[in-house]
Amino acid sequence: SAVISQKPSRDICQRGTSLTIQCQVDSQVTMMFWYRQQPGQSLTLIATANQGSEATYESGFVIDKFPISRPNLTFSTLTVSNMSPEDSSIYLCSVEGQGRDYGYTFGSGTRLTVV
Amino acid sequence: QKEVEQNSGPLSVPEGAIASLNCTYSDRGSQSFFWYRQYSGKSPELIMFIYSNGDKEDGRFTAQLNKASQYVSLLIRDSQPSDSATYLCAGPRGGAQKLVFGQGTRLTINP
Repeated sequence: SAVISQKPSRDICQRGTSLTIQCQVDSQVTMMFWYRQQPGQSLTLIATANQGSEATYESGFVIDKFPISRPNLTFSTLTVSNMSPEDSSIYLCSVEGQGRDYGYTFGSGTRLTVV
Repeated sequence: QKEVEQNSGPLSVPEGAIASLNCTYSDRGSQSFFWYRQYSGKSPELIMFIYSNGDKEDGRFTAQLNKASQYVSLLIRDSQPSDSATYLCAGPRGGAQKLVFGQGTRLTINP
C-alpha cells in the first residue's frame, strides 16, 4: 500500500495564525483526501484534492478556512487559517490504494493544539 | 439519518471470546465497506474491506455484509488484549470514492 509522509506530526499554535500541513505520497495518486478528527470523535472529511483542479469541500468546510493545494500527483497541503481553539484536532490525509492494495491509507496525522 | 452509523459502545469482551461490531448504512447503492482499527494516538489502519454480500474472512477477522438489510459487521475471534482499540466502519459517500466514517466503537479486551 502507499506510504504517506505527513508533517508536522504536532504543533501548538496561537489563535489567529495559520498552519500548513504537508502530505507526500510515495506513488502517484489521483485523489487525496483530508480529514479532521476532533478529540474523542470519529473522522470527518474536509475535502478531496485533485491535481490540476480546485479541491472539493464537504458541507461545513470552506476554502477560505481550509485552503488546499495539489501541485502534483504525489503531494498536497492543507492550511488551517485564522485558527481558533475549536480547530484543535488531528488532521489526516488519505489516499486510495489500487489493485491488490485496495483500501484507503492514512498519513500519521498532525495533532494541532490552538491556544 | 447518518450515512454510516455504528454502535457507539464502549464494548468490553473477555479475552478469547468473540467481539462483534456492527454498522448500518443509509445509501442502498453503496458497494464497498471498510473496517479500520485505531489505537489511541495513532492513525486508522485498514483491517478489511468487503464489497460482496456474505462473509469475508481474514485470520481472526470476519467481515459480514448484508446489502438487503444495509448492515456491515466485524467479528473478531479469539480476542486478544492487543485488539483493544477503536474500530471504525466506513463506506463511500454518494457512490464516490470518498469515505464517510461511523462514530467508532471502542473495544476493550479484558485479560
